[in-house]
Amino acid sequence: KQEVTQIPAALSVPEGENLVLNCSFTDSAIYNLQWFRQDPGKGLTSLLLIQSSQREQTSGRLNASLDKSSGRSTLYIAASQPGDSATYLCAVTGYSTLTFGKGTMLLVSP
Amino acid sequence: GAVVSQHPSWVICKSGTSVKIECRSLDFQATTMFWYRQFPKQSLMLMATSNEGSKATYEQGVEKDKFLINHASLTLSTLTVTSAHPEDSSFYICSARVGSEVEQYFGPGTRLTVT
Repeated sequence: KQEVTQIPAALSVPEGENLVLNCSFTDSAIYNLQWFRQDPGKGLTSLLLIQSSQREQTSGRLNASLDKSSGRSTLYIAASQPGDSATYLCAVTGYSTLTFGKGTMLLVSP
Repeated sequence: GAVVSQHPSWVICKSGTSVKIECRSLDFQATTMFWYRQFPKQSLMLMATSNEGSKATYEQGVEKDKFLINHASLTLSTLTVTSAHPEDSSFYICSARVGSEVEQYFGPGTRLTVT
């Protein structure tokens, strides 16, 4: 059974800092890995999708990496802003399952 | 912990038929349920948000007449894909939320294949 772990569970940083969120998964037989953002009371917003054959994806200030063999992914956020405050979820897709981590709650203070 | 189930877990249907997917909160009452879909090699995308007893709110680009969502009770929401076509083949996932709580509880997903 796939298990996805995200570390840290919560993170508080001052504005402008670069930060890294970590995600690990136990079964490397995945189709892809995704990072999502969840604002309070809202549905998920997809941030980055990495196919199993890829090693990283970039979008603006976000960069996600994937090391499938070791079961790890990181989400790098550059020059953080208060608007980045949200919960960030990592999810891996298998053939018939989508497994989410519990998320990292990020607070960026002005 | 809160558990959300989906039924069926996978379904194969012929083009032109309709398929209903159920999403149930097993041990809690879900005032809000979300429906997502994930096309092959694409990201998970929110389709619609439904609140118990009211009409669903659809995301831009999602046809409400094609994807019928019913949230008739606090423990059940259904998504009906009407007149399904091969391009509707996707992974459909629901999630449920209690009241104004932040956390969503996700179902395991339903893989739909339209032939």
